[in-house]
Amino acid sequence: GESVGLHLPTLSVQEGDNSIINCAYSNSASDYFIWYKQESGKGPQFIIDIRSNMDKRQGQRVTVLLNKTVKHLSLQIAATQPGDSAVYFCAEDSSYKLIFGSGTRLLVRP
Amino acid sequence: EAGVTQSPTHLIKTRGQQATLRCSPISGHTSVYWYQQALGLGLQFLLWYDEGEERNRGNFPPRFSGRQFPNYSSELNVNALELEDSALYLCASSLEGGVGQPQHFGDGTRLSIL
Repeated sequence: GESVGLHLPTLSVQEGDNSIINCAYSNSASDYFIWYKQESGKGPQFIIDIRSNMDKRQGQRVTVLLNKTVKHLSLQIAATQPGDSAVYFCAEDSSYKLIFGSGTRLLVRP
Repeated sequence: EAGVTQSPTHLIKTRGQQATLRCSPISGHTSVYWYQQALGLGLQFLLWYDEGEERNRGNFPPRFSGRQFPNYSSELNVNALELEDSALYLCASSLEGGVGQPQHFGDGTRLSIL
């Protein structure tokens, strides 16, 4: 079936270190990708997006990398802070719907 | 700017009943999407409404239905509730329908089936 592949792993990082969260997607024809952050009891929060004609996009403390050859996305968070602790989802925009991975839990150690 | 709002926050029903969930999109957004987030299953696409019409549907039975009103708000209706319908139901909106429009989410309605 359709899938953007993340099997809810947990990434534990020290406060101040950089974090890298990876994601594999399945549809090579997808044109648009989004990263979301979901904190407990809340809905997913938009972090950053990237279109398929780009391979890198930067925001405030976050960078998304897209490798279309191997259908891989990554989210880099610089100087990770306690407030970054959450579940992170990548999503693939396919046929006017978002296909989500299962998420990665990011834990930030003080 | 107010975000996507959903009501109620929590809803408790029994098997066989019907549930109605409501969503108000961000002002100016015309597209509304519904997703189900069940424990251990991630977010699954349910429905997409744009300009009052259903534009796309996920792999859910017909007892999941909805509508979009002229003010772009939306309802999700679930009939003949089953235990496995227990989940967080999330609504998202975007400026217009189509690929490349970021979807912004509300905080969801937690539906519990007893």
